[in-house]
Amino acid sequence: ETGVTQTPRHLVMGMTNKKSLKCEQHLGHNAMYWYKQSAKKPLELMFVYSLEERVENNSVPSRFSPECPNSSHLFLHLHTLQPEDSALYLCASSQEQGVITEAFFGQGTRLTVV
Amino acid sequence: QKEVEQNSGPLSVPEGAIASLNCTYSDRGSQSFFWYRQYSGKSPELIMSIYSNGDKEDGRFTAQLNKASQYVSLLIRDSQPSDSATYLCAVTPEPPNDYKLSFGAGTTVTVRA
Repeated sequence: ETGVTQTPRHLVMGMTNKKSLKCEQHLGHNAMYWYKQSAKKPLELMFVYSLEERVENNSVPSRFSPECPNSSHLFLHLHTLQPEDSALYLCASSQEQGVITEAFFGQGTRLTVV
Repeated sequence: QKEVEQNSGPLSVPEGAIASLNCTYSDRGSQSFFWYRQYSGKSPELIMSIYSNGDKEDGRFTAQLNKASQYVSLLIRDSQPSDSATYLCAVTPEPPNDYKLSFGAGTTVTVRA
């Protein structure tokens, strides 16, 4: 398997549920990202991990909790979400070599909070 | 001021014509510039990257970068219906924020058969 793989592709959850999104990259990259894409809005950077260390949080609400156990895997743990959190959540990876190189995206998880 | 700005469109072009997409950015020290294509309901797909002033051609796509004007563009020659998508401009800011990409809101392109 190649590229960036995200699971699940679709998720419907209640506001009291806890769920996790998973991302795996097979490109040998050293940086991974979580982006949120809402309708008619630019991609919003949520979290950046470089060499497994979180570099940026971007003031994301604490109901979103990232985890990066190694350079190939990235998780986004979700709890007590709000309906406005419904969006497409995209994982991406890139190779950081002083300057960022191309970022490649997974297929995304379409999240609906009910 | 938004970090990356694009005309939202929609940009409608006839099949076979040239589609011209524009993007401006606010950080003068930006180093890397990318164009992504995103079909409806799909994830962004990288189609072009450019790092220095001038033109870069790849098949029917040409990216143009002018750092002095803080402007990057994408030309799509011989447009095809399959080019109908939203095109996202992405820019890497100057250090120390060069570890992340800033995206524009995207320009929607419709190619009329």
